[in-house]
Amino acid sequence: AQRVTQPEKLLSVFKGAPVELKCNYSYSGSPELFWYVQYSRQRLQLLLRHISRESIKGFTADLNKGETSFHLKKPFAQEEDSAMYYCALSRYNNNDMRFGAGTRLTVKP
Amino acid sequence: ETGVTQSPTHLIKTRGQQVTLRCSSQSGHNTVSWYQQALGQGPQFIFQYYREEENGRGNFPPRFSGLQFPNYSSELNVNALELDDSALYLCASSAAGRGGLTSTDTQYFGPGTRLTVL
Repeated sequence: AQRVTQPEKLLSVFKGAPVELKCNYSYSGSPELFWYVQYSRQRLQLLLRHISRESIKGFTADLNKGETSFHLKKPFAQEEDSAMYYCALSRYNNNDMRFGAGTRLTVKP
Repeated sequence: ETGVTQSPTHLIKTRGQQVTLRCSSQSGHNTVSWYQQALGQGPQFIFQYYREEENGRGNFPPRFSGLQFPNYSSELNVNALELDDSALYLCASSAAGRGGLTSTDTQYFGPGTRLTVL
């Protein structure tokens, strides 16, 4: 069964510092991986997906199949990045999306 | 283009009662997924509806049921409420097909309904 683990419930960094939110998954097939973000008083929204290989709001994430990881990174954190971040996995053409428990990122001034 | 809406915003019920939650999908979307998010946890997949038919189900008992209407809006019904059903219930709409979400589909989430079971 597929599973997503986000080992850090809370992560705090200073503005301008690099940030990495960890995500590990377990799934024997080819996963589809996503990062979702929820800003304060806003709804959950897609941040990025592994297949697009793009940078969104300065964030990137690389799928590492060998380490079964999909860590989210940003070289210089901004205060507006403070939010709840969820890593999610689904199987190809499957509707059961599994979410991790989330990491609350706080960027201090 | 209107976004996903859910009603009611908050709801308080007692154990054993039944509840119906509603979701209006985003314009042009034919697929609705429902999630349960307990406090401190990520969303957990309940089921998905595609063109009025259930199109996949997570690990939830049969007392969790749903409907999708011809306009693609959806309902989540929970019978015989238990204390552990207290959670935020999210719906998400997408234009995914019968095969389910692909890596290029985007789910758009509603604001959720907060259910408290006393």
